[in-house]
Amino acid sequence: LAKTTQPISMDSYEGQEVNITCSHNNIATNDYITWYQQFPSQGPRFIIQGYKTKVTNEVASLFIPADRKSSTLSLPRVSLSDTAVYYCLVGDSSASKIIFGSGTRLSIRP
Amino acid sequence: GAVVSQHPSWVICKSGTSVKIECRSLDFQATTMFWYRQFPKQSLMLMATSNEGSKATYEQGVEKDKFLINHASLTLSTLTVTSAHPEDSSFYICSAGPATNEKLFFGSGTQLSVL
Repeated sequence: LAKTTQPISMDSYEGQEVNITCSHNNIATNDYITWYQQFPSQGPRFIIQGYKTKVTNEVASLFIPADRKSSTLSLPRVSLSDTAVYYCLVGDSSASKIIFGSGTRLSIRP
Repeated sequence: GAVVSQHPSWVICKSGTSVKIECRSLDFQATTMFWYRQFPKQSLMLMATSNEGSKATYEQGVEKDKFLINHASLTLSTLTVTSAHPEDSSFYICSAGPATNEKLFFGSGTQLSVL
């Protein structure tokens, strides 16, 4: 099982771009990289998923270098509502056991 | 997108009673579901993997007789906290994903408070 390492916390301001990097040195060939967002007293919510290079959707971008040993979640122009915990997970399928790391607690200030 | 429904959202019970939490996959079949617990300000901790038609696989340190898991159908898994005590008070979350998809979808969680 790939272990992930993320910063414990990050602070930013409204309107800024926020980049959260995750290390996963032992990622396996079949593993995907998935990021989730969690608000207090709610289950995690899917943000974005990728295998290599760059993936972009309506809420975020995910950058994955060629060696896939790290990934960066990019949130453009954050708002106060982006204050949450962000988890980076790696796994090969929805049926595989996923272990959560510590996540990154992102705080956005006015 | 795929939806995982979890009920109840919160429950308060007396010490010594049992509480059942349901997790349903609404628009896909899930041969595997996962149960997590989360304490305040901490990450999710995997408790067990629920397998349809077979016994659940528990993580080290999780008492299988304390946390009973039943996965009787491809859309429903239940977690029963037996003889609950105050230290079992926590936020419990289930997850599942379509077999052909690498994404996991999470329930909204159940806040259990044992008095």
